[in-house]
Amino acid sequence: DTGVSQNPRHKITKRGQNVTFRCDPISEHNRLYWYRQTLGQGPEFLTYFQNEAQLEKSRLLSDRFSAERPKGSFSTLEIQRTEQGDSAMYLCASSRTANTEAFFGQGTRLTVV
Amino acid sequence: GENVEQHPSTLSVQEGDSAVIKCTYSDSASNYFPWYKQELGKGPQLIIDIRSNVGEKKDQRIAVTLNKTAKHFSLHITETQPEDSAVYFCAASKNQGAQKLVFGQGTRLTINP
Repeated sequence: DTGVSQNPRHKITKRGQNVTFRCDPISEHNRLYWYRQTLGQGPEFLTYFQNEAQLEKSRLLSDRFSAERPKGSFSTLEIQRTEQGDSAMYLCASSRTANTEAFFGQGTRLTVV
Repeated sequence: GENVEQHPSTLSVQEGDSAVIKCTYSDSASNYFPWYKQELGKGPQLIIDIRSNVGEKKDQRIAVTLNKTAKHFSLHITETQPEDSAVYFCAASKNQGAQKLVFGQGTRLTINP
């Protein structure tokens, strides 16, 4: 499968714990995006990378959230001290360049209890 | 910032009939408009996109039209089939590509056999 891969698919965690998600983009895609989707809503932009550089972060991304793409390939999204409001589907997408279409992964569904 | 409104929120059509979903956007600088299909438990799948220098684009049973003056764009699905049942999202961005997509609220399309 050469699509965007996200792991884990599901994560249940207790409030206050830290969680980390991984995204493997399509090979040779320079751009990588993180979005968050809550139930019944469209995805909301969180942040994006051009290779290893994080170019923009949404105001939705509080200081408890951090994303990295250390070698310009896979990316991780970490949430520290999780809150119930963090429960959502976290989606990763990639595109070959800035001006080409983005393809989404299957997402990681986070449930904070 | 950009705001995308999508209508209707639910749509039910008989198999073989056509379905139309409409979106309006607020930022006249937006120039890229993709449509995504999302099935239960899966990530959004790009089905068609259009850029601001084109008024209409067609791919088999799917077409998208764009009216830049009125700031609205529409998805048309002809000869609907049961497998077209899903949630459809429109989106807009200002970058001729997928960074910082702003999504509509989604339309749940049900095809009745």
